[in-house]
This record gives sequence, structure tokens and C-alpha cells, in this order.
Amino acid sequence: EVQLVETGGGLIQPGGSLRLSCAASGFTVSSNYINWVRQAPGKGLEWVSVIYSGGKTYHADSVKGRFTISRDDSKNTVYLQMNSLRDEDTALYYCARDLGNRGWFDPWGQGTLVTVSS
Amino acid sequence: QSALTQPPSASGSPGQSVTISCTGTSSDVGGYNYVSWYQQHPDKAPKLMIYEVTKRPSGVPDRFSGSKSGNTASLTVSGLQAEDEAGYYCSSYAGSNIWVFGGGTKLTVL
Repeated sequence: EVQLVETGGGLIQPGGSLRLSCAASGFTVSSNYINWVRQAPGKGLEWVSVIYSGGKTYHADSVKGRFTISRDDSKNTVYLQMNSLRDEDTALYYCARDLGNRGWFDPWGQGTLVTVSS
Repeated sequence: QSALTQPPSASGSPGQSVTISCTGTSSDVGGYNYVSWYQQHPDKAPKLMIYEVTKRPSGVPDRFSGSKSGNTASLTVSGLQAEDEAGYYCSSYAGSNIWVFGGGTKLTVL
């Protein structure tokens, strides 16, 4: 079964750092585009980052310079390193495969909650 | 990287059709045929319903259809059913390896 499982969320103070993990099963992350998408409480979806199969990475302007997406092929896992966290980064963070490399986000994980608060 | 514009809410009675719009610019929706639609039930992960403007993944009922005209994409749900009540989000490629989502539309089946 094709599946993504996110872990690593939690409560963190403003200015702190957190690393999220997205473990894949049923497919190989190194052969796919994997994205992070977040959803603030009661709000809509916001695209955050992508790592391409070739290793190139891209980030939304709202997180550029603070967040870094990476992957460990040996663990079939994608990471999101989040530094200099702000209150507005509070959200449920989903990882999702881009099935067709053209914005077909499928499947999605169940999400991991990040709360930035003092 | 501005969010695409969707109406906050839409509604229809069982059996009716409802259309949800998604308005962007020539730099995103109007510039690429890479518009997707996602359904999200409360406390659930989003589910892909339409990709590349008009295409339906396997398993998605043909009651769901997509279209695009200029800078506006649309999702039409025909023959509304109770289980269609959910949040719906559009997304589009915005160039420079960036993706953008709409603000979401809550669909209510009356």
C-alpha cells in the first residue's frame, strides 16, 4: 500500500527549531517529487516546499531561508527542517507525493501538528 | 505567491449541481493546465479529485468534473450526494517551481 506517515510535530517556542519526518512505504521517495503542505487551524492549504527526484529543492517565499527540505534515500524518508519558527508557522503539516510531477498531490499523509507558542 | 480566490461557501440540494470557481492570474491558472482540485472532510487529509484541469483519478465518481476558462478554473459536482459535503481546494502551478492553493470552499448539501 502506498502510504506517507509524518512525525516530529510538537509545541515549540518562537525562534526555535523542529525537524519533521515523512516516511514513505509502497514507493521510493528518490524516484518521486515529495511536497510539504501546511494548514493553519481553521484555515486553507498552503504549499511549503518540494524536493524533486533529482534532488533540487524549492520553498515558498514565506519559509525561504528558514525551512529546508531534504531526504534520506536509505530510510525512504523526506524531512523538513524548520528554523526560526514564528507564531504564524503554527499548522498541521502534511507531506504529499506529486504523482504525475505536475501537481497531482496523491497520496497525502495524515499530518503532524506544529504549535509555535511561548 | 498570492492564494487563488475561491468563494468561502457553496451549497446545493441532493441531486442538484454546484460549481465552485477558482480565480487566479495569467501567471498561474491562466498560464498552465496544471490545476488540481482536492476534497477534504473534517479532520481528514485532502484527497485528489481532479488533476490537469479536467482529468479524474481512478476511483473518483464521474459526478466530479473540472474546466478552465482564462484565469478561472471550475469544479462542478453533479447529482449532489450527502457525502460530497466537504471542503474543496484548488491548486495551480505558478511558475518557478512554485505551487499555490486556493483559500478553500465549504460545500454544504442542504
